[in-house]
Amino acid sequence: DVKVTQSSRYLVKRTGEKVFLECVQDMDHENMFWYRQDPGLGLRLIYFSYDVKMKEKGDIPEGYSVSREKKERFSLILESASTNQTSMYLCASSLSVAGELFFGEGSRLTVL
Amino acid sequence: DQQVKQNSPSLSVQEGRISILNCDYTNSMFDYFLWYKKYPAEGPTFLISISSIKDKNEDGRFTVFLNKSAKHLSLHIVPSQPGDSAVYFCAAISSGSARQLTFGSGTQLTVLP
Repeated sequence: DVKVTQSSRYLVKRTGEKVFLECVQDMDHENMFWYRQDPGLGLRLIYFSYDVKMKEKGDIPEGYSVSREKKERFSLILESASTNQTSMYLCASSLSVAGELFFGEGSRLTVL
Repeated sequence: DQQVKQNSPSLSVQEGRISILNCDYTNSMFDYFLWYKKYPAEGPTFLISISSIKDKNEDGRFTVFLNKSAKHLSLHIVPSQPGDSAVYFCAAISSGSARQLTFGSGTQLTVLP
């Protein structure tokens, strides 16, 4: 079974703090994604990566950065957390371009 | 500008009846469509997909219908079961795009026993 593991299920941070969200997949997938889920807005793509050290902006990259140093690991970084970044963050991976996305369980971030 | 729209935020259905979840899209370049299901505190899981060369795909109790001229797809669940209660997301992709799915806002399905 494909497994996508997100390091933290729940985090509480203060405004201005730097936040790291880690994601690891164990199926040698080329493509990895970070989404955020907000009520009424569905899943919105923040960043994605289709290869090591490659990254592409999604629909809402502002306030975020990413790192992909190894194929299995894709990190989302909030340089200076703000209250409007309180959300559920979902990491996903896929083998092919139009292929099925496999999601992690999500990380619920609260920024106070 | 939402390219994939799910206009019903919620739907309640009696157990054993049919659930019909709808999705509309605006981008005519989309050629592959997927449905994902999400339980609370879990990540979404893939449910069923359809290519634009088809108008129907069936998998057990789940059937997806695609009407390209109307830019509309629907997910039918028959018969509905209480375990089907979840948020359902419609998603679409263009094979010529930069490899990203576009998701709708989701529909909360509640199946009443």
